[in-house]
Amino acid sequence: KQEVTQIPAALSVPEGENLVLNCSFTDSAIYNLQWFRQDPGKGLTSLLLIQSSQREQTSGRLNASLDKSSGRSTLYIAASQPGDSATYLCAAPGAGSYQLTFGKGTKLSVIP
Amino acid sequence: DVKVTQSSRYLVKRTGEKVFLECVQDMDHENMFWYRQDPGLGLRLIYFSYDVKMKEKGDIPEGYSVSREKKERFSLILESASTNQTSMYLCASIDNQSTDTQYFGPGTRLTVL
Repeated sequence: KQEVTQIPAALSVPEGENLVLNCSFTDSAIYNLQWFRQDPGKGLTSLLLIQSSQREQTSGRLNASLDKSSGRSTLYIAASQPGDSATYLCAAPGAGSYQLTFGKGTKLSVIP
Repeated sequence: DVKVTQSSRYLVKRTGEKVFLECVQDMDHENMFWYRQDPGLGLRLIYFSYDVKMKEKGDIPEGYSVSREKKERFSLILESASTNQTSMYLCASIDNQSTDTQYFGPGTRLTVL
């Protein structure tokens, strides 16, 4: 059964700093990995999806990487802004399944 | 843009009541999911459906049932609500025709008194 872990659970950085959020997964037979953002009391918004054939995916100031062999993914946020403050979750499917297993998230606070 | 809507943002019910949570997506997605989210436990899958009238149990189906009579609508039913079902409920659908991106609704915060 897929297990997804995110470290750290919380992170506080000053505005303008570059930062990396980490995600690890146990079953490397995944066909994709997805990063989401969640604002307090809201649903999840998909940020980036990396297919297993890709190593990286970029959207604006966000860059996600995937290393299946080591069971790791990272989300890089460049030049952080207060509006980036949210909880970031990664999710990976089990083998041959659309069911996602979610990490518990990293709560990011960007201090002005 | 894909839109997933949920019938209520906030709901307060009493123990023993039957509760219906509805989810509608407008992109003809085949796969739909119900999760609950609790502090410290993260998101946990309750049920999912891969087609009309088809359903599969997730990790925590006890105390819940689902209905999928139409492709766009996936309902979660709490047969007899209990206080331990107080939670945030999130519905999602997946675009498995192209990107495999999972799209979420805004969530329903259910309180059972």
